[in-house]
Amino acid sequence: NAGVTQTPKFRVLKTGQSMTLLCAQDMNHEYMYWYRQDPGMGLRLIHYSVGEGTTAKGEVPDGYNVSRLKKQNFLLGLESAAPSQTSVYFCASSYTGFDTQYFGPGTRLTVL
Amino acid sequence: GQQVMQIPQYQHVQEGEDFTTYCNSSTTLSNIQWYKQRPGGHPVFLIQLVKSGEVKKQKRLTFQFGEAKKNSSLHITATQTTDVGTYFCAGVSTGGFKTIFGAGTRLFVKA
Repeated sequence: NAGVTQTPKFRVLKTGQSMTLLCAQDMNHEYMYWYRQDPGMGLRLIHYSVGEGTTAKGEVPDGYNVSRLKKQNFLLGLESAAPSQTSVYFCASSYTGFDTQYFGPGTRLTVL
Repeated sequence: GQQVMQIPQYQHVQEGEDFTTYCNSSTTLSNIQWYKQRPGGHPVFLIQLVKSGEVKKQKRLTFQFGEAKKNSSLHITATQTTDVGTYFCAGVSTGGFKTIFGAGTRLFVKA
């Protein structure tokens, strides 16, 4: 039981490049979330999903897209990376919207 | 929309001193959760409070949920260097389903 895993752990992009971050969970959770964490800003919700095939916007969705084709996976895409997207990205999952969230180890992204 | 405010933003303590972080919501909460994030790590769930006025303890950590279910606190007695990190509260509004995180309180402990 690996919990929540994220790929990759680190990435450096040039402005304008695209990439996809992968989140996988093996706990059969319905809800999955993508957050970004910047110094002094806490956790800000980018997008979330309440089940397979569903996605919804969070607090800071601009510049990101997501997909939840399989229940266990939640993908976060950056179509044209910008330096303002330099951050640490955390994925999380939970049984319901009220339950404990289990976080992945994070992806540290730098956009030059 | 719902907001969860957390104070202080930072706290420096000497090892052995007590520490408290406070969490306040603009709306009534159905529950409140507390997480700890060690430096360089990811948030890890500590506890969930559901009932009005609820108090829970985990060794040196005491968690309280306010009577009006709009505020909460985490108190650490006699801090240790292993307590360093950022403590987040997270609340779900009554009737809502999204968890909103506070900005966190970063605790520094000097040995």
